[in-house]
Amino acid sequence: GENVEQHPSTLSVQEGDSAVIKCTYSDSASNYFPWYKQELGKGPQLIIDIRSNVGEKKDQRIAVTLNKTAKHFSLHITETQPEDSAVYFCAASTGSHFGNEKLTFGTGTRLTIIP
Amino acid sequence: NAGVTQTPKFQVLKTGQSMTLQCAQDMNHNSMYWYRQDPGMGLRLIYYSASEGTTDKGEVPNGYNVSRLNKREFSLRLESAAPSQTSVYFCASEIGTGNTIYFGEGSWLTVV
Repeated sequence: GENVEQHPSTLSVQEGDSAVIKCTYSDSASNYFPWYKQELGKGPQLIIDIRSNVGEKKDQRIAVTLNKTAKHFSLHITETQPEDSAVYFCAASTGSHFGNEKLTFGTGTRLTIIP
Repeated sequence: NAGVTQTPKFQVLKTGQSMTLQCAQDMNHNSMYWYRQDPGMGLRLIYYSASEGTTDKGEVPNGYNVSRLNKREFSLRLESAAPSQTSVYFCASEIGTGNTIYFGEGSWLTVV
């Protein structure tokens, strides 16, 4: 089955600096790569996703890049703010006609923004 | 619009007790999921339901049962709780075509 590795497990950056979180996956059939943000005491919430036919996607201060050849994808957060502090999860899925039952999550990165 | 609602939020059980976690979504989604989250393990799929009337095992189904009561509701039952089932449980739903999964707020379960 799919195996998703995520690094680093913890990351601290100064407010205003950029943060990068990296994930690798094992199943070359994976075609959907979402990123989730989980705030303390809350459920994960989708912040951005990318599909295999695209190499990069950007939404304001957040961007995701995908390298299918190397089987890795990364989350980039620019101009970090205190509210970016959270745990971030990457995931990969081969998808199906029905849904994302094949979605495999990374182990998470705890991002701390230092004011 | 409540999204995905799960109850209870917190529960302490004794080993061997049984309980059911309830989940309901009001987004008319077809697919529903139960995950557990443990430190350093990410989110692992316990069971899922691709549509009303169907359920299937995920990555870690042992010790659990599920019921898709109707399109809105998907419950998770622990028949005989064990300390290894101490975890945070998340219910989630998705319209069902490989799109965004929406999570509930989580249920913190401790088995002593």
